[in-house]
Amino acid sequence: AQSVTQPDIHITVSEGASLELRCNYSYGATPYLFWYVQSPGQGLQLLLKYFSGDTLVQGIKGFEAEFKRSQSSFNLRKPSVHWSDAAEYFCAVGFTGTASKLTFGTGTRLQVTL
Amino acid sequence: DAGVIQSPRHEVTEMGQEVTLRCKPISGHDYLFWYRQTMMRGLELLIYFNNNVPIDDSGMPEDRFSAKMPNASFSTLKIQPSEPRDSAVYFCASSSQGLGGYGYTFGSGTRLTVV
Repeated sequence: AQSVTQPDIHITVSEGASLELRCNYSYGATPYLFWYVQSPGQGLQLLLKYFSGDTLVQGIKGFEAEFKRSQSSFNLRKPSVHWSDAAEYFCAVGFTGTASKLTFGTGTRLQVTL
Repeated sequence: DAGVIQSPRHEVTEMGQEVTLRCKPISGHDYLFWYRQTMMRGLELLIYFNNNVPIDDSGMPEDRFSAKMPNASFSTLKIQPSEPRDSAVYFCASSSQGLGGYGYTFGSGTRLTVV
């Protein structure tokens, strides 16, 4: 069965520092990959997605992610974090040929210090 | 488009009472998903529909939970009778052409508290 691992439960970075959130998936097929952000009391908002093609994808709010097939990873990055980026981030994966549902990771909570 | 609309935003009810959560998906989306989010278990898929037909309800915790989608613009999730362990945030999400690489659009959720 497909699975998603976000190894970091909680990360703290200083405002202005760079950020990388890790995501690994397991399954043999070509994945569709997503990153969502959830602010407190809100639903999940799509940050970016990868289907095929260029393995570096750009998203909203200055985020980007890189798909590395050899590492089964889809890490989220931002060069300079803003205090408003403090939220919970979820990686999700889906695959062609399976039921039309995404598998979500357990999330990484980002804290930004001033 | 107003996005996925859920109501109510907050619900406090007493144990044993019936609770109904509502969702209006984005017009034109043919998939609808119900999720539950708790601190202990994270995001759990409860059930999803395609063209108003339930496709997979394996995540529904027990018979106390039921979901319907009478038409393309409305779905309900009902808990009867409710129990304190049902306290969670319930999200509805919709998408177009299923997985198709389009991702989901989530509603703002209903925070349910059962006392």
